[in-house]
Amino acid sequence: GQQLNQSPQSMFIQEGEDVSMNCTSSSIFNTWLWYKQDPGEGPVLLIALYKAGELTSNGRLTAQFGITRKDSFLNISASIPSDVGIYFCAGYNNNDMRFGAGTRLTVKP
Amino acid sequence: KAGVTQTPRYLIKTRGQQVTLSCSPISGHRSVSWYQQTPGQGLQFLFEYFSETQRNKGNFPGRFSGRQFSNSRSEMNVSTLELGDSALYLCASSFAEFYEQYFGPGTRLTVT
Repeated sequence: GQQLNQSPQSMFIQEGEDVSMNCTSSSIFNTWLWYKQDPGEGPVLLIALYKAGELTSNGRLTAQFGITRKDSFLNISASIPSDVGIYFCAGYNNNDMRFGAGTRLTVKP
Repeated sequence: KAGVTQTPRYLIKTRGQQVTLSCSPISGHRSVSWYQQTPGQGLQFLFEYFSETQRNKGNFPGRFSGRQFSNSRSEMNVSTLELGDSALYLCASSFAEFYEQYFGPGTRLTVT
């Protein structure tokens, strides 16, 4: 099935910088989720969004559910070295779950 | 609370063989989902079991099957392995809604 369009594919930033990544789809989703995956580990759920227009924060992370229900973005403020990893978006609708290809984040101290 | 555990962590099989992977969910979680992760296709949903019944299913061939036991532990079976089945297989558990899930570390399957 069609996966989500996630961008950028990779980012190299300096510690302290803010980061923004997004996910778009041609289909509507009722739930958007953001995960982080470290090497050798499974993804960890960071933020779940359930309503169009919803803006939710989890510490330095903020995510929004687009009003068209076809997109979502994730912001990380004041990045730190442990933010390194791969970030995935996921959309869920009618028993169907799709994932983005991931954004690989590298943070230089 | 112990997390999701998967066994084995690494596995090497030969084309044509079959394989069974195991997943133990977080205590109290009744939903177990399975995913395949590859560099080319990314994360893809295989299926979800809730209370021993398959509740959701992705778009994978019938060679991929699963089951869930009364204690919520789940197994995934892949028959007639193909080279393209080489992947990280992830299991995730949740209490109710399957997308509010916690992932295990995965089983790395290599098919030669």
